[in-house]
Amino acid sequence: NAGVTQTPKFQVLKTGQSMTLQCAQDMNHEYMSWYRQDPGMGLRLIHYSVGAGITDQGEVPNGYNVSRSTTEDFPLRLLSAAPSQTSVYFCASSSQGGIYGYTFGSGTRLTVV
Amino acid sequence: AQSVSQHNHHVILSEAASLELGCNYSYGGTVNLFWYVQYPGQHLQLLLKYFSGDPLVKGIKGFEAEFIKSKFSFNLRKPSVQWSDTAEYFCALPSKGHGHQDYGGSQGNLIFGKGTKLSVKP
Repeated sequence: NAGVTQTPKFQVLKTGQSMTLQCAQDMNHEYMSWYRQDPGMGLRLIHYSVGAGITDQGEVPNGYNVSRSTTEDFPLRLLSAAPSQTSVYFCASSSQGGIYGYTFGSGTRLTVV
Repeated sequence: AQSVSQHNHHVILSEAASLELGCNYSYGGTVNLFWYVQYPGQHLQLLLKYFSGDPLVKGIKGFEAEFIKSKFSFNLRKPSVQWSDTAEYFCALPSKGHGHQDYGGSQGNLIFGKGTKLSVKP
């Protein structure tokens, strides 16, 4: 039981490049979400999904796209990377509205130069 | 709107000192609350959670938290800290809005405080 798996763990991009951060969970959780963590800002919600085919914006969605074609996968796409997107990104999943807690991935450290 | 406030940005303690980290929330409905810990270079791990019942919640590694509804608070405590407790601590509240009605409208994600860094000197 792997939990929530994020790839890659580290990535360096040039400004304007695009990439996809992968997130997969094997717990059959219906809820998945993406956060970014910046010093002194805590974790801020980027996008979330309450089930396959359903996504919505969080607090800081600009510059990011998501889709949820399967229950297991919830990729986060950066369309045109900017230095302001340098951050650590965490994916999380939960079931039944999170009453049993939320499982986090190990994070992706992204640097945009 | 829902929000979570953590008052202490950085706390420095010596080993064996007692710890209390403040957390206040803003939400008028039924509250679930979490404390997460993030050790240096690692992902978030659940310390403890409150859903209902006894307002004094015990978690892992000797941590506990007390839910005080009248004060909208959920402070984290530990009687005697260790060097290994050096980490960042986050208080969090489930986001509720247009989510599943069976789960109180939960949207399946969390609203986090900005975190408190704890440094324990050996």
